[in-house]
Amino acid sequence: GQNIDQPTEMTATEGAIVQINCTYQTSGFNGLFWYQQHAGEAPTFLSYNVLDGLEEKGRFSSFLSRSKGYSYLLLKELQMKDSASYLCAVMDSNYQLIWGAGTKLIIKP
Amino acid sequence: TAGITQAPTSQILAAGRSMTLRCTQDMRHNAMYWYRQDLGLGLRLIHYSNTAGTTGKGEVPDGYSVSRANTDDFPLTLASAVPSQTSVYFCASSDGGGGTDTQYFGPGTRLTVL
Repeated sequence: GQNIDQPTEMTATEGAIVQINCTYQTSGFNGLFWYQQHAGEAPTFLSYNVLDGLEEKGRFSSFLSRSKGYSYLLLKELQMKDSASYLCAVMDSNYQLIWGAGTKLIIKP
Repeated sequence: TAGITQAPTSQILAAGRSMTLRCTQDMRHNAMYWYRQDLGLGLRLIHYSNTAGTTGKGEVPDGYSVSRANTDDFPLTLASAVPSQTSVYFCASSDGGGGTDTQYFGPGTRLTVL
């Protein structure tokens, strides 16, 4: 079966750095996406990785290791507005997205 | 640009009744999708359409039907609602180019079936 695993919840402090991990087992791989979802709102696109390595975009970076079936999202200089759920999704061999259940990130002052 | 709109925002429905959730996009995207999101679970694909005139079944299609008469609209119909269909429903669209095919989501419809 296909499976995406990520922690259910994490807590971090404003101004700090947090790393959200995602491991996956899917039938084929055509890229990995990270989305942000604030409570009661729609998911919004953050990043896409298809090759191994780190993609940096402002305060957010995403890393991929295809051989390990592993990715992480790194958030720097945390702000209160970063409190949200972060969803990891893998595009499989049929170009359909398989979604993790999401990691709820709580930011404390 | 509106992007993707969904209607209604929320609805309470009696079991056994039918209902159509509406979804419209103005980005001229080829592909459209319907997902449901339940607490503790990832987004699950119900139905999708790669281009106008075609539809396909996702992971959880039972009890739902869709149509894609044109590029912009992708309605989702529940023929006879059951309580297990209580969920938040998201419509999404993408260029449909495979690979870096980013999906963009509508604001969602919160449905309660009693």
